[in-house]
Amino acid sequence: NAGVTQTPKFQVLKTGQSMTLQCAQDMNHEYMSWYRQDPGMGLRLIHYSVGAGITDQGEVPNGYNVSRSTTEDFPLRLLSAAPSQTSVYFCASGRTRGREYEQYFGPGTRLTVT
Amino acid sequence: TQLLEQSPQFLSIQEGENLTVYCNSLSVFSSLQWYRQEPGEGPVLLVTVVTGGEVKKLKRLTFQFGDARKDSSLHITAAQPGDTGLYLCAGEASNYQLIWGAGTKLIIKP
Repeated sequence: NAGVTQTPKFQVLKTGQSMTLQCAQDMNHEYMSWYRQDPGMGLRLIHYSVGAGITDQGEVPNGYNVSRSTTEDFPLRLLSAAPSQTSVYFCASGRTRGREYEQYFGPGTRLTVT
Repeated sequence: TQLLEQSPQFLSIQEGENLTVYCNSLSVFSSLQWYRQEPGEGPVLLVTVVTGGEVKKLKRLTFQFGDARKDSSLHITAAQPGDTGLYLCAGEASNYQLIWGAGTKLIIKP
């Protein structure tokens, strides 16, 4: 199993450009999430999905869109990039095991907006 | 807004010493998770604690969930250079959404 894969690993955008960060998982997990990680702030939830066709906003959704047409894929779209979106983006998939919720992260995409 | 305060933010100690990292909140969580993150990689789940007062051990790492399920601690015995990394705690708030601490950067010097 490849686990959670993310592409690209690095990306530089100009202000106003749009792009899609790709995320795929091969573990048949119901739950998928997108986070951004900024220095000293931990991880912040952008959007999440509890299954194909179902998405919801997290803590910091503005400027981002998601869709979940299949169980495997959960792309994150930046509509019009801003310097404030410079960050490291992590995709995660998750499952429940009894009362425990387990989450598995991808390797991240480092995005710089100039 | 639920917050998870993690302390200390940074810790640098010698190999062989013991240490404890704390994760505190005013909110009750249904479970709490601990992760370790290496530079340039995503966080990796170490353990999930679910029951108030629960203690779990992972080799030299001991994790405890507070009785009221508002706080947790990670204790490392006889730290090794391989323990170096960023340790993150995350509380499960609702609908599998996690509230994250800012992390503890741990450096173990040989």
